[in-house]
Amino acid sequence: ETGVTQTPRHLVMGMTNKKSLKCEQHLGHNAMYWYKQSAKKPLELMFVYSLEERVENNSVPSRFSPECPNSSHLFLHLHTLQPEDSALYLCASSQGGSGRSYEQFFGPGTRLTVL
Amino acid sequence: KNQVEQSPQSLIILEGKNCTLQCNYTVSPFSNLRWYKQDTGRGPVSLTIMTFSENTKSNGRYTATLDADTKQSSLHITASQLSDSASYICVVSSQYDYKLSFGAGTTVTVRA
Repeated sequence: ETGVTQTPRHLVMGMTNKKSLKCEQHLGHNAMYWYKQSAKKPLELMFVYSLEERVENNSVPSRFSPECPNSSHLFLHLHTLQPEDSALYLCASSQGGSGRSYEQFFGPGTRLTVL
Repeated sequence: KNQVEQSPQSLIILEGKNCTLQCNYTVSPFSNLRWYKQDTGRGPVSLTIMTFSENTKSNGRYTATLDADTKQSSLHITASQLSDSASYICVVSSQYDYKLSFGAGTTVTVRA
């Protein structure tokens, strides 16, 4: 295990639903990330939090809303999603954030299906 | 255009055989390059990390090479096992930037 956990592991939701993805890291890191992974495509960075402040919002639609209440927890709130949002959502954490390149440790991901 | 290109997209090999995966990148200025292994239903896990001055690094049956001049890297799997079936992702970091550039991955299937 990498020390990063995600729940739920699988989620099926309708386009009108509201759901949240949860990520928790047990590594003492101070930066956390949300990525979207679609089939045959590179990982897409969505959001970055460093010391609980959002430092990156990569032109992500407003139907995705992140929340970082403390350095160990990260949420991704979902509402009125589209079928093309179906993907694997990965959370990662690292020792540092902006300005330095540290190894990122990934959680197992949440497989999201939007009907 | 993606700054990290991997080939082949997928390959099938017989158990016990060797294979080599390729990664070409344009990220600049270069900081380091990592190879990640991603098992089905799991997140990526780092296999190796290479900096500018390193040419070869091994992790068990995995050997990564780096040619910083041509901006190419390879991952060689020796004596493949069924557990090597996974997606292998090349990830490149630039200096002074936390953002990572990801390849689309190579899916390796090892058959008995």
